[in-house]
Formats: sequence, structure tokens, C-alpha cells
Amino acid sequence: EAQLEESGGGLVQPGGSLRISCAASGFPFSSYEMSWVRQAPGKGLEFISYIGSGGSNTKYADSVQGRFTISRDNTDNSLFLQMNSLRAEDTARYHCARLHPIFAYMDVWGKGTTVTVSS
Amino acid sequence: DIQMTQFPSTLSASIGDRVTITCRASQSISSWLAWYQQKPGKAPKLLISKASSLESGVPSRFSGSGSGTEFTLTINSLQPDDFAIYFCQQYNSHWTFGQGTKVEVK
Repeated sequence: EAQLEESGGGLVQPGGSLRISCAASGFPFSSYEMSWVRQAPGKGLEFISYIGSGGSNTKYADSVQGRFTISRDNTDNSLFLQMNSLRAEDTARYHCARLHPIFAYMDVWGKGTTVTVSS
Repeated sequence: DIQMTQFPSTLSASIGDRVTITCRASQSISSWLAWYQQKPGKAPKLLISKASSLESGVPSRFSGSGSGTEFTLTINSLQPDDFAIYFCQQYNSHWTFGQGTKVEVK
């Protein structure tokens, strides 16, 4: 069974940095495109970043462009999100999600990890 | 960006009811729409892709319809396990989500 498990969330001060991770299991991770999606308290879901299977093709939402960096380690079945210059509005639960190999909808999700940006 | 408008935001229903949730896209997305179910503290679960294709293992009381800009998720004969939040997602151009519908006990 395909599974994703996020880790690394926590409390960080405005302007600070944090790196969150997503461990994949139960499927050939290196063959799949991956993404990060977040949900702020009381808000809807927001796509924030995408990475191709090889790691060279990336996309970002305007809200995080230039501050967040997505990466992956296919040898370790791991996905990462490096978050810099964090703002209060980045407070959210962050989910990693696998993309369907043909149609690109998000077919497997993790439970998420919570990032709180506050002084 | 394609905007997704989902309604209602909250739906009160009883066991056995038929419930319908609607998602409207700001421009045509053909049939590139998925529906998910989310429960507190759990990972979102894919129910339907391509507007009407039921995922393996999802009960047949769930169904999806629509194309272009208007889509619906229907749950026939609501069961106790169905009280949750449901949201739609377009994947025609990048990915955007509806605001979610909470199905609660009436």
C-alpha cells in the first residue's frame, strides 16, 4: 500500500527557516511526480509546490515563490520542502501528495505536519 | 488561475439521506476534476477522478457528474462513516481546490 508520512513541522519565528520532509513507502517513489499542499487554519487547501520524478522540474505557487524550495532524494524515497523567510500567513498543515502518473491528480496524501510561524 | 467555488460550505444531513455537493470552475476544465474526503487528523482520501470515475474500494453510494464548469458529488443513502469534509480539485491547469463542504449530523 502506498503511504506518505510527513515530519519536521514545528514552531518557528517570523523570518525563520524550516525544512519539512515526507517519507514515501509502498510504491516506486522515483517514478512519481510529487507535490506539497497546505491548509491554513479555517481555510481551504492550497497547492504550493510540485517536483518532477527526476527532481529537475519544479513549480511553485506565487505565494511561496522565491522563499520555498522543493527537492527530493530518490535513493532515500524522500521529499523535502525548505521554507525560508517564513511569515505568519505560512502557518498551516503541510501535506505531501503523490501525483497520478498519467492524469496528474493527487492520488495519495500524507496526514500532514503542522508549521506554526509566530513570535 | 482557475478558481473553484464549492457549495454549500456546511450540509446537515441524516443517515440515509441523499446529499449533493457542487463545485463550479471559473473556466472550463473539461472533466479534469477530482473529489476527496477528509477526516480530522487523517490524510485526504481520493474518491473520484475525471469527474465521475470512482476509485477502487470507494463505496458505490458515491458518484460524481459534470463537465466543463459545473460538477456534483452525490452520496446516496448517507452512512455514519460519511460525515466528513469533502473538497473538489481541478487539475486541468496546475491544481486548485474548492473551499470544502462539511457534512455534519442533522
